[in-house]
Amino acid sequence: DAGVTQSPTHLIKTRGQHVTLRCSPISGHKSVSWYQQVLGQGPQFIFQYYEKEERGRGNFPDRFSARQFPNYSSELNVNALLLGDSALYLCASSLKTSFDNEQFFGPGTRLTVL
Amino acid sequence: GENVEQHPSTLSVQEGDSAVIKCTYSDSASNYFPWYKQELGKGPQLIIDIRSNVGEKKDQRIAVTLNKTAKHFSLHITETQPEDSAVYFCAASPGGPFTPLVFGKGTRLSVIA
Repeated sequence: DAGVTQSPTHLIKTRGQHVTLRCSPISGHKSVSWYQQVLGQGPQFIFQYYEKEERGRGNFPDRFSARQFPNYSSELNVNALLLGDSALYLCASSLKTSFDNEQFFGPGTRLTVL
Repeated sequence: GENVEQHPSTLSVQEGDSAVIKCTYSDSASNYFPWYKQELGKGPQLIIDIRSNVGEKKDQRIAVTLNKTAKHFSLHITETQPEDSAVYFCAASPGGPFTPLVFGKGTRLSVIA
């Protein structure tokens, strides 16, 4: 079975632009979470979606938004990009809404903002 | 909110030796403590986890211990192998809905052959 997939693998943008990142969860997983991983740091929670509804949001500005589609895939959108948004963006899927079960991470999208 | 501290940030061991990584957490409500391994170019992968009703858990060469009173937990890898080289992250969560994992900053483990 395929694991969590993310696209694109790498992305280069300039300040002020917007970006859309995509994630497909493991088949049967209805919960998708997004994390930002800055170089040298651990992943930081951005959003959780379950059954197409936002179930949790981390401490990120409103420039960050996401949605989940009927097939449980998800998009993360970031507007008005800043240099500090450069990071690895990870998507994770799981069976449950609670976080006390295994989160399956994708390989991530490396975003560079110039 | 929860805060997770992880030490050391880098660790080098000789092949066959043991490696220990330690984490502390701040929220006494946290009751789920996973450890993830991240290899270059890949997302984190769960290697072992422990819940607050258990003091120790072992899976082959990997073990985790938890001290709820002191609010710290540790990862122990015995008989290290070169393929154990990676970045390891600890995390903590109260485990309920809307309470995501909070990760430590990671430990880069290098196993020298």
